[in-house]
Amino acid sequence: EAGVAQSPRYKIIEKRQSVAFWCNPISGHATLYWYQQILGQGPKLLIQFQNNGVVDDSQLPKDRFSAERLKGVDSTLKIQPAKLEDSAVYLCASSFDRSSGNTIYFGEGSWLTVV
Amino acid sequence: AQSVTQLDSQVPVFEEAPVELRCNYSSSVSVYLFWYVQYPNQGLQLLLKYLSGSTLVKGINGFEAEFNKSQTSFHLRKPSVHISDTAEYFCAVSDWGKLQFGAGTQVVVTP
Repeated sequence: EAGVAQSPRYKIIEKRQSVAFWCNPISGHATLYWYQQILGQGPKLLIQFQNNGVVDDSQLPKDRFSAERLKGVDSTLKIQPAKLEDSAVYLCASSFDRSSGNTIYFGEGSWLTVV
Repeated sequence: AQSVTQLDSQVPVFEEAPVELRCNYSSSVSVYLFWYVQYPNQGLQLLLKYLSGSTLVKGINGFEAEFNKSQTSFHLRKPSVHISDTAEYFCAVSDWGKLQFGAGTQVVVTP
């Protein structure tokens, strides 16, 4: 079974530029998550989707971050304009549904460096 | 909101020695707890999870964890580590289907 796919794996941009990350979850998984992991810290949830609807985006910096999952399958996370503090790994994850006991599966991450 | 605290930021250990990684949680309701491992330059992989039932949970790669409600702990153990266990380990609690992670414990295994 294919896992969570993410691209690009690595990206270096200058501050104030824009960047987009793409994620394709495990087939059949209704719930999709984007996490931000800053070096030396645990992952922090940015946004949670259930199918094509947003369940929780309370920690998404909406002045610069946006995310969509238009057809309820793959998703895009965009940052515009980027700041130095956005340097992090962006992890996409998916689960069968929102039940608390479900296993959440993670992709390998997209590493962003803002210079 | 539910949260977890990992008590050790780094744990050095010799190969074939046992290791214990400590995790405390805060929750006043039913709790679902997880341990994930992150190898260098990779995503997170589930080691084990506690949902209910037996307090001793066995996971992959020889890891196990014990849920202790009175001490609000979920410590991870392995009786004999290998070099390949060098990685970062994250404890997490499910909060309405979303994982809240601890800060992580870096395990460094040396020969």
